[in-house]
Parts: sequence; structure tokens; C-alpha cells
Amino acid sequence: DTAVSQTPKYLVTQMGNDKSIKCEQNLGHDTMYWYKQDSKKFLKIMFSYNNKELIINETVPNRFSPKSPDKAHLNLHINSLELGDSAVYFCASSPPQGVLGNTEAFFGQGTRLTVV
Amino acid sequence: QKEVEQDPGPLSVPEGAIVSLNCTYSNSAFQYFMWYRQYSRKGPELLMYTYSSGNKEDGRFTAQVDKSSKYISLFIRDSQPSDSATYLCAIKGGFKTIFGAGTRLFVKA
Repeated sequence: DTAVSQTPKYLVTQMGNDKSIKCEQNLGHDTMYWYKQDSKKFLKIMFSYNNKELIINETVPNRFSPKSPDKAHLNLHINSLELGDSAVYFCASSPPQGVLGNTEAFFGQGTRLTVV
Repeated sequence: QKEVEQDPGPLSVPEGAIVSLNCTYSNSAFQYFMWYRQYSRKGPELLMYTYSSGNKEDGRFTAQVDKSSKYISLFIRDSQPSDSATYLCAIKGGFKTIFGAGTRLFVKA
């Protein structure tokens, strides 16, 4: 069974469209994240949720809106897509404090977003 | 200055070599130090994490942290072609994690 799964794996869309990426984890973890990895492989945190509460929002344009309907799911909705949004978006989860150092222990396979 | 500095490489070594990957960081408030491996078109995999200064070993991998000089290292012994990947260091404090740029490693058979 996949621990952290994202859908879709690939997404090609036109500028100005609105799109969503879904993430689910079956590990029972409390903390989930969205990361953006640019073309130079630089991985940067966007959002973090702990028990469905937003705890980190890292200077991300408000066109990006995360939603956590429950602890196992963290979705990312993007409005008015721009060319610069093209990147790979990764979802990740962390076990509780004291387990694996509360590190981002599991990442999804990524969603490769291309805006044309 | 970036909070985490990591040489992007690429680093090319022959099979069986000892590989040394390094990062420096600037903020001493971060408490956890991690290494991830990322294969092409895959998500990062957590290889090792450490909390304090010192060494931690797991099979062919050794992670080393020197908090006094803000320097973290990953050593890979007896490197294999299957180790060819991008290796990302990361530092974590609270809920915030900062990643290095990643070093591309090629192990030639």
C-alpha cells in the first residue's frame, strides 16, 4: 500500500485555469505538508497542517489554498494558474513528535504541473 | 546567504568508492538534521536523521553532524550504481524544514 499518494501524477493546463491536487496518507500521521520543487530541484515548503490546523504558510501567493478535510487528506487548490507555477508539487507527512524526529518521513510521488 | 548551502555537483565516482556529501547551515536554532535520497522523477526518501552532534550509522551510510561549525555530512561506503541519485540535506526546527539544493551523485560501474 502506498503511504502517501497524490493525484494526479501529471497535470498540463493553460494559464488562468484553476486546478486541484489531492493528497492522502494512510499512516495515521498528524502533520502533512505541501512542498514545491522547481526546475533546479530546490525543494521549498509551502504549507504545513497539524491535526487539520494550518501551522505554516510560507509566503505563498493567495492563489494557492490548502484544504484539510481530515487528518488523512491535504489538498491544494490553485487559482488563476501562471507560467511560474510550473513545478513538481510534493505532499509529505510526519509522525508524531519523538518518532523519526518528527521529520518529513514520507513523501508522495509528486505532481508534475505544467502551465502552458 | 542561504540558510542551507549544498554543492549541487554533479559528483561522479567509480563503484566501490567512499562518497562524502556535505552541507553547511547558518541558523543554530535548528535541531534536527536529515538526509534524503531522491531518484529521478520520484519523491524524496528519508535516509537518516540525527538530533545532536556526532555520528549515526546505518548500513553503508554514516551521517555526521558538527553543530559547532554548523556542518553536516553523509558518507556512503562501498558505493553502488544504485546509489546514483540526488541527495538532499535538510535542517528542521519546530515544524519548519529547510532543504539544501541537493547534490547529484553518479556511481559508475
